[in-house]
Amino acid sequence: KAGVTQTPRYLIKTRGQQVTLSCSPISGHRSVSWYQQTPGQGLQFLFEYFSETQRNKGNFPGRFSGRQFSNSRSEMNVSTLELGDSALYLCASSRQGLEFDEQYFGPGTRLTVT
Amino acid sequence: AQTVTQSQPEMSVQEAETVTLSCTYDTSESDYYLFWYKQPPSRQMILVIRQEAYKQQNATENRFSVNFQKAAKSFSLKISDSQLGDAAMYFCAYSNTGNQFYFGTGTSLTVIP
Repeated sequence: KAGVTQTPRYLIKTRGQQVTLSCSPISGHRSVSWYQQTPGQGLQFLFEYFSETQRNKGNFPGRFSGRQFSNSRSEMNVSTLELGDSALYLCASSRQGLEFDEQYFGPGTRLTVT
Repeated sequence: AQTVTQSQPEMSVQEAETVTLSCTYDTSESDYYLFWYKQPPSRQMILVIRQEAYKQQNATENRFSVNFQKAAKSFSLKISDSQLGDAAMYFCAYSNTGNQFYFGTGTSLTVIP
């Protein structure tokens, strides 16, 4: 079974631009979560989608948004990029997104904002 | 708000020895789950071990075991017979019935040959 895939793997953007990251979950998984990973901060939860609906949201500004398609693929968008948005963005999928579900992580998208 | 604290940014262990990584969490809930995830260098994060809060028995997966102290809100990971492949960043995580996951800041484990 194919794992979680994320595209692109690396991105370099300038301040003020916007960016869209993509995540394809494991087949059969309906929940997709997004995290921002930075040194010293660990992983911070952005949001979770289940059956095309945002079910949970972390404490991030409205510049961070996402969506999920009917095939469970998910996209994350960041508008008006700031230097502080430079990070590794991880997506994780699980079957139902329940509290005891194992999350399967993708390799991440490394975003650098200059 | 739930928080997860890993107070050891870096740890090292000699190959074949035992190491314990610490994790504490803060919650007012009685029903929750705890996890340890491993992120090897340039590789994807994978689940190491999972513990249900309502289970008193500590979870074990081969060389990996946890010491779960619910009253103290402590959840440490013990790695026995450390191997070179255990070198990675280890994250402690908490989830509750709200289906939201909270991660610690991670502990970087070095295994010395």
